[in-house]
Amino acid sequence: QSVLAQPPSVFAAPGRKVTISCSGSSSNIGNNYVSWYQQLPGTAPKLLISEDNRRPSGIPDRFSGSKSATSATLAITGLQYVDEADYYCGTWDSSLGVWVFGGGTALTVL
Amino acid sequence: QVQLQESGPRQVKTSQTLSLTCSVSSGSISSGYHWAWIRLHPGGGLEWIGSISHSGYISYNPSLKGRVTISVDTSKKNLSLDVTSVIVADTAVFFCARGRGDIYGHFDLWGKGIQVTVSS
Repeated sequence: QSVLAQPPSVFAAPGRKVTISCSGSSSNIGNNYVSWYQQLPGTAPKLLISEDNRRPSGIPDRFSGSKSATSATLAITGLQYVDEADYYCGTWDSSLGVWVFGGGTALTVL
Repeated sequence: QVQLQESGPRQVKTSQTLSLTCSVSSGSISSGYHWAWIRLHPGGGLEWIGSISHSGYISYNPSLKGRVTISVDTSKKNLSLDVTSVIVADTAVFFCARGRGDIYGHFDLWGKGIQVTVSS
């Protein structure tokens, strides 16, 4: 069971907006930066968002991150079929002394 | 462009030692990053196994109960992982990843991963 809670799946139509939530506690999300990763089947996970809301070079501005208290959210606007992937949130947990991740959310664009 | 490539046996017997290597294609393995092993379990969910910082500090996930060793060979630009006394629940896709700064930093580069199956 993952320390960070994510919905197992989300669905949305092309062109629409979808949000993926990531819920934690004060020892992880509440006091440390959150990052988001995208994994297409059979490929290396890719960093989408770092430090709660920073987009690395090359990541479209359709992807955005936010955080409030002990929850973080990944938003994807203008959904495209290429966005179908698994999405993971992650952060450091200061109490456990480990990196923790969510269980992953499978995005289906239909 | 830096790439990471995991290699090692894809099948391991229970109670044996799993040994994996991650090759860093270019750049220095010792400057300004931490290097980690992370695994993806069959049911989903990523689990951080441990990291080694650019200064040589190593941190492991206590959930693996002392069965893990991570090391770096800077001359060969390799990151290694040993997991002893493997059990079926160690079956996973294992990724190596580069983290920014110290071990609290996010992972900005990942390998494609290697599927390892543990069976009796």
